[in-house]
Amino acid sequence: GAVVSQHPSWVICKSGTSVKIECRSLDFQATTMFWYRQFPKQSLMLMATSNEGSKATYEQGVEKDKFLINHASLTLSTLTVTSAHPEDSSFYICSASTGSDYNEQFFGPGTRLTVL
Amino acid sequence: GQNIDQPTEMTATEGAIVQINCTYQTSGFNGLFWYQQHAGEAPTFLSYNVLDGLEEKGRFSSFLSRSKGYSYLLLKELQMKDSASYLCASMDSNYQLIWGAGTKLIIKP
Repeated sequence: GAVVSQHPSWVICKSGTSVKIECRSLDFQATTMFWYRQFPKQSLMLMATSNEGSKATYEQGVEKDKFLINHASLTLSTLTVTSAHPEDSSFYICSASTGSDYNEQFFGPGTRLTVL
Repeated sequence: GQNIDQPTEMTATEGAIVQINCTYQTSGFNGLFWYQQHAGEAPTFLSYNVLDGLEEKGRFSSFLSRSKGYSYLLLKELQMKDSASYLCASMDSNYQLIWGAGTKLIIKP
């Protein structure tokens, strides 16, 4: 149980285009979903936290107009990277929390974005 | 400020035991997590400690001392597949995970 999927697993796009990444909890309802970004050999950096039906809370330094997050249901959250640039190339990982006793986060497999 | 410290890299021999240390300073504390991350993949959950002491789970054990802000992950009977990065993360008072940079563990035959 507690499986989280992401789609696509990798994407290559041209600079200036927008890319949408989906995160789904397959067998549980996720009260909260988290979006992380990880550059090579660096730690996961939390970008934003989203609760179903409400606006996402963005971490300091993350542009909310550039990284659009929608958490429309208890099983789906989307991250849209708008007007992507090469510096946005990274590994984007989502995680979902069930709100259990210790709020363990279950991670999706990640999406590798390369912007040319 | 919030801070997680763990060694950047460690090397161990197949079949041996290795201990990966982690010290943390976070605003509030709601538990200490260890994750394993293979290159190019997302982290996978290994352990969670919120009370002092040792939690054993097969070849992996995790220890916590809240008074010292210290945890370690102990890996026994090392296998080549254990070569990975091990991430320590502390959950703060807002239930957000504060991540360490990870310890790259290299297993040699």
